[in-house]
Amino acid sequence: QVQLVESGGGVVQPGRSLRLSCAASGFTFTTSVMHWVRQAPGKGLEWVAVISHDGRHKDYADSVKGRFTVARDDSKTLVSLQMTGLTIEDTAIYFCARVSPEQQSVLDHWGQGTLVTVSS
Amino acid sequence: DVQMTQSPSSLSASVGDRVTITCQASQDISDFLIWYQHKSGRAPKLLVYEASHLETGVPSRFSGSGSGTNFTLTITGVQPEDFAIYYCQQYDQYPLTFGQGARLDI
Repeated sequence: QVQLVESGGGVVQPGRSLRLSCAASGFTFTTSVMHWVRQAPGKGLEWVAVISHDGRHKDYADSVKGRFTVARDDSKTLVSLQMTGLTIEDTAIYFCARVSPEQQSVLDHWGQGTLVTVSS
Repeated sequence: DVQMTQSPSSLSASVGDRVTITCQASQDISDFLIWYQHKSGRAPKLLVYEASHLETGVPSRFSGSGSGTNFTLTITGVQPEDFAIYYCQQYDQYPLTFGQGARLDI
């Protein structure tokens, strides 16, 4: 079955960097568009980034543009999120999600998330 | 950006009740609307896509309706496992945007 497992979260100081990973299994990763979505403490869901199936197209929320970079490694079925210049506002649970192969832009499977805490 | 507004933000129900959550988009998004269920510490679960299409495996007590700017998620006969937070999300355009969530409590 489809599995998405995020890792790499932790406590980091403001201004520092962190790299999140999402290990995918149970589906054809090479044809899948992948997203990152986050949830700040006590807040709702916020879309962060998307990467196309071939890695050529990427898009970001304005709040992270220029600081976060999404990438994929098809050989390892991994999608990553490199986060730089972290601020307290980036504190959140970060989820990766897969786009349905049948329904364009529908996020049909999500991981359980990894917690990033930005604090001095 | 398309703003998504859910109401109510929280609601209480008893097992067996019928509950309705609404979602309003700030502009016409046709039927590009998704409903998710989210329980703390778990992965969000896709319930409804394209405003009214039930995801495979989702119980038929869940239903979605609407188009344009006004949408509804209805649970007919709430079950104990349904107590969670429900989010709507538009996928008509980027950035993808979510409603603020509706917490369903006992």
